[in-house]
Amino acid sequence: ETGVTQTPRHLVMGMTNKKSLKCEQHLGHNAMYWYKQSAKKPLELMFVYSLEERVENNSVPSRFSPECPNSSHLFLHLHTLQPEDSALYLCASSQVGGTSTDTQYFGPGTRLTVL
Amino acid sequence: GQQLNQSPQSMFIQEGEDVSMNCTSSSIFNTWLWYKQDPGEGPVLLIALYKAGELTSNGRLTAQFGITRKDSFLNISASIPSDVGIYFCAGHGGTSYGKLTFGQGTILTVHP
Repeated sequence: ETGVTQTPRHLVMGMTNKKSLKCEQHLGHNAMYWYKQSAKKPLELMFVYSLEERVENNSVPSRFSPECPNSSHLFLHLHTLQPEDSALYLCASSQVGGTSTDTQYFGPGTRLTVL
Repeated sequence: GQQLNQSPQSMFIQEGEDVSMNCTSSSIFNTWLWYKQDPGEGPVLLIALYKAGELTSNGRLTAQFGITRKDSFLNISASIPSDVGIYFCAGHGGTSYGKLTFGQGTILTVHP
C-alpha cells in the first residue's frame, strides 16, 4: 500500500451505534489530520496530531473521539452520532519540520451515513 | 482568522479550452497548494508552491504563487473530459504543524 489509506470507504450506522474509522499513512509523515466534508461546504478541520500529540481540536462534539497510537495510524471513534454528522470524513498526513511542512496528502475518505 | 476567496465557483467549458481559476487571501501565506477532488474521493495534490513569485507546471497545469503572497492562480490548458472535478486551493500561514486554510472550491465541467 502506498500513500494514505482509509477504511471503511462507506459506513452506514444508526444513532445508537459505535463505530471507528481507520486511517493509515505509508509516507513516513509525523502529522495526521481528520477533516469533515459536508455537501457544498468547505473542508472543516476536526483534529490534528503532530508527533502523536493532539495539537488541535476544533470544537468538535465529544461524540467524535480521535486516537493516534503511533505516527502511522489514526482512528476516529464514533458514538451516538446525529444525522447531520453524515459526511465524507477525510484523513490527511504531512511531514512537520522538514522543507515540505505544509503539504498534506489525503486519503480517499469514508462516506458516513447516519440514519 | 485567515480566509481564502476562490473564484469562480463553477465553470462550464468545451473540451480543448483553457481554464483559469484563482484564490485570494486576506493575509499572507507561506505555501500555496492546489488539489483536485473527484466525487466520493479525497483531494489529490496537483501542485505545491513554496516561494513568492514561483511558477510551477505539472503537465497541462500551471500554478503561480503571487508576489504579494496573498494570491495564487491555477491554469489548465487544452482541457479534456477527465479534468472534470472540484479544484481547491489551500494556503499555509505558518503554524508549526501545517494547518491549512481551504478555498471553497471551483467546480469544473468539461463538455466533449
